[in-house]
Formats: sequence, C-alpha cells, structure tokens
Amino acid sequence: EAGVAQSPRYKIIEKRQSVAFWCNPISGHATLYWYQQILGQGPKLLIQFQNNGVVDDSQLPKDRFSAERLKGVDSTLKIQPAKLEDSAVYLCASSLVAGRQYFGPGTRLTVL
Amino acid sequence: DQQVKQNSPSLSVQEGRISILNCDYTNSMFDYFLWYKKYPAEGPTFLISISSIKDKNEDGRFTVFLNKSAKHLSLHIVPSQPGDSAVYFCAASVSTGANNLFFGTGTRLTVIP
Repeated sequence: EAGVAQSPRYKIIEKRQSVAFWCNPISGHATLYWYQQILGQGPKLLIQFQNNGVVDDSQLPKDRFSAERLKGVDSTLKIQPAKLEDSAVYLCASSLVAGRQYFGPGTRLTVL
Repeated sequence: DQQVKQNSPSLSVQEGRISILNCDYTNSMFDYFLWYKKYPAEGPTFLISISSIKDKNEDGRFTVFLNKSAKHLSLHIVPSQPGDSAVYFCAASVSTGANNLFFGTGTRLTVIP
C-alpha cells in the first residue's frame, strides 16, 4: 500500500514570496490533515478536511495561508506572502473517516 | 498553551535496558492517547495507543501506561535496541476517532550499543 506522498521535500524562498505544497493521501482515506512543525516543537494542526469539506481550520492563519482539497483526494497548502516565522516542516496526514493518522515525509520550508 | 507536555527533550539508554518516556497533559477532556515515532527526514509513524478506559496497553516491546488522576502517561521500551533511536511524540485526542491530535514537543531517544 502506497503511503502519503508530499512534494516538494525541501523548499527555500525569500520572505514575501509565495509557496505551495502538494499532498496525495492514501487511497480511500476520506480525512486529510495539514500540520506545521516548527523546530523543537510537536506538530500543530493547521487544517482538517473530510472529503473536500473543511472540518477544522481554527489554527490556520487565514490572512496568508490557504488550502484546498480537489475532488476529495489531493490537497495543496499555500502560503502568500511567506514570513520568516513560517520556516517549518509541513506535514500532511490522512486517515479513514475516523482513526489512525498516517503521515507523509513532510516538506521542509526555509524562509530567508 | 501547550496541552501535552514532554519535559525531557532527550534520553540516552544502553542497549538492552529499559527506556521510559514520559508525557503529561492538562486537558481532562482527552480520552485517547498515542505515541508516534519519528526518524530524521520522515514523517511520524504510529507506535501504540491507549484509551482512557484502560491503564495499560502492551504491544511487543512497547507498553504504554496511563494514570488519569495524575494526567500522566509513559512509554516503556524493553529491551531497548539501537533501531529505537528516534524522536518520540506523545499525542492526545478528545475521542477515539483521534481526529484532532495535540502533540507534545517530543523526546529524542538515543540507544547506545
């Protein structure tokens, strides 16, 4: 069974630039999550989708972050414009409607 | 506000000995707890979980203990192996659906051969 795929694996941008991350969840998983993990901290949930609807985006900084899940499968997370404090690993996870979350390898973002 | 806390950022243990990783939480609504293991450049992988109706769950070398009154849980690894060297995250949820996980800051375990 293929795991959660994410791309790119690494990204370096300058502040005020835009960046987008892509996630392909495990086939059949209805729920998709984006987490932000800042160095030295645990992952923090940014947004949760069930199919293509948003379940929880209370921790998403909506002035600069946006996310969508096309047709209830792939998802993209965008940051526009990026700030220095956005430097982190962005993790995507998926699960069945309820249950264990499976994580992708993450995208390491460095904002200079 | 950090609702799940792992106060030991690192732990070193000799191979073959017991590793004990600790986790505390503040939210009394949490009733499902998980441990994830993370290797460098990989995403966290699920290790073991426990529901609040239990005080112990065992899976091979890994055992998780839950003390609800103290809002404390611990992960025991016996015997520890060099391949167990990783960062371990404690996570908690308000339901067994585990949809909204709150993570601790992690403990880096090093098992010395």
